[in-house]
Amino acid sequence: QKEVEQNSGPLSVPEGAIASLNCTYSDRGSQSFFWYRQYSGKSPELIMSIYSNGDKEDGRFTAQLNKASQYVSLLIRDSQPSDSATYLCAVPTSGGSYIPTFGRGTSLIVHP
Amino acid sequence: DVKVTQSSRYLVKRTGEKVFLECVQDMDHENMFWYRQDPGLGLRLIYFSYDVKMKEKGDIPEGYSVSREKKERFSLILESASTNQTSMYLCASSFRGGITGELFFGEGSRLTVL
Repeated sequence: QKEVEQNSGPLSVPEGAIASLNCTYSDRGSQSFFWYRQYSGKSPELIMSIYSNGDKEDGRFTAQLNKASQYVSLLIRDSQPSDSATYLCAVPTSGGSYIPTFGRGTSLIVHP
Repeated sequence: DVKVTQSSRYLVKRTGEKVFLECVQDMDHENMFWYRQDPGLGLRLIYFSYDVKMKEKGDIPEGYSVSREKKERFSLILESASTNQTSMYLCASSFRGGITGELFFGEGSRLTVL
């Protein structure tokens, strides 16, 4: 069973701070990595993808990937209350259908 | 914009009833998925389909079946609903040749089985 692990949280940060969300995965053959955001009562939406080691920045969001350590993270700079949501890490498994396996998600609370 | 539409947002059914959940996407995606989401358990894949009339079991297919007669439509069927199938059901779609982790989700169907 290919696994994707996330700390369930909640992670609570003050407005304006950097929120750091982490994800580890077990499949060494995985090549692509995704972060989804899910607001309460809503469906997940894709916010970031990363394929190469290092950092990828998109506005206030930065995804970081370290394949050797099998670790991917999402940094949210200048966190806003509107960032309060559950963040899901998704990793397509290698060696077949490449269906994404989702972590259980980390709940983020940004308080004013 | 990609649109994935699930036919029912909220359903209440009784134990033993047959339940149909329908999903339609309008972007000509080859892949379609059914997940269920439960608190503390995250998203779990029930079935997926990569083409018309093709289907593959996911992690938790027991008690479910699916149908894909047309490319845009993927149906999830609970032959005899049970209380442990009370859950949020999410349909998703993606391009086959594209980035396989880039899924577009419907708004979800919350099923309660009494």
